[in-house]
Amino acid sequence: IAGITQAPTSQILAAGRRMTLRCTQDMRHNAMYWYRQDLGLGLRLIHYSNTAGTTGKGEVPDGYSVSRANTDDFPLTLASAVPSQTSVYFCASSLVPDTGELFFGEGSRLTVL
Amino acid sequence: GQNIDQPTEMTATEGAIVQINCTYQTSGFNGLFWYQQHAGEAPTFLSYNVLDGLEEKGRFSSFLSRSKGYSYLLLKELQMKDSASYLCAPMDSNYQLIWGAGTKLIIKP
Repeated sequence: IAGITQAPTSQILAAGRRMTLRCTQDMRHNAMYWYRQDLGLGLRLIHYSNTAGTTGKGEVPDGYSVSRANTDDFPLTLASAVPSQTSVYFCASSLVPDTGELFFGEGSRLTVL
Repeated sequence: GQNIDQPTEMTATEGAIVQINCTYQTSGFNGLFWYQQHAGEAPTFLSYNVLDGLEEKGRFSSFLSRSKGYSYLLLKELQMKDSASYLCAPMDSNYQLIWGAGTKLIIKP
């Protein structure tokens, strides 16, 4: 049982490039989330999806976009990466929306130069 | 504004007990969650409190006082594997988790 799989695990990216972080879950969870984690700060919600076909903006959505074409996949795209987007990105899911019991992927470490 | 306050770092001895405090201010309240995060790994869910009082789960217990905006996580019989960061996360009126920066717990032999 994989749970949540994120790819890539780590990536170095030149500023201005487009990047998609992939997230797939096999738990048939309805809700999915993207967070970024920076040193000294709490996890910050970028975008979320309560169910397939719907998405919403979190606390720090600027510069990021998401899609939820089906239940399992929730990719995060940086259209034109900037150095301030250097961070560790976590994808998470929950069985239902509006619950705090989340299951996290192992994270994607992104460095933008 | 919304604010979470927890100590940045704590040190404890193997076999001992440690209490990690968290104070919070949120717009509304729909429960408080604690997560454990080992270095370089994903956060994992530990506990959930929505009513005042103590919730016990094995060596870990979590306490909540809604009127004081206060929670603590109590870890007993500390083991080396408990060395990790512990994240406090209350849920606001929009059912959004508000995450603290975490408390790094260092366990010494």
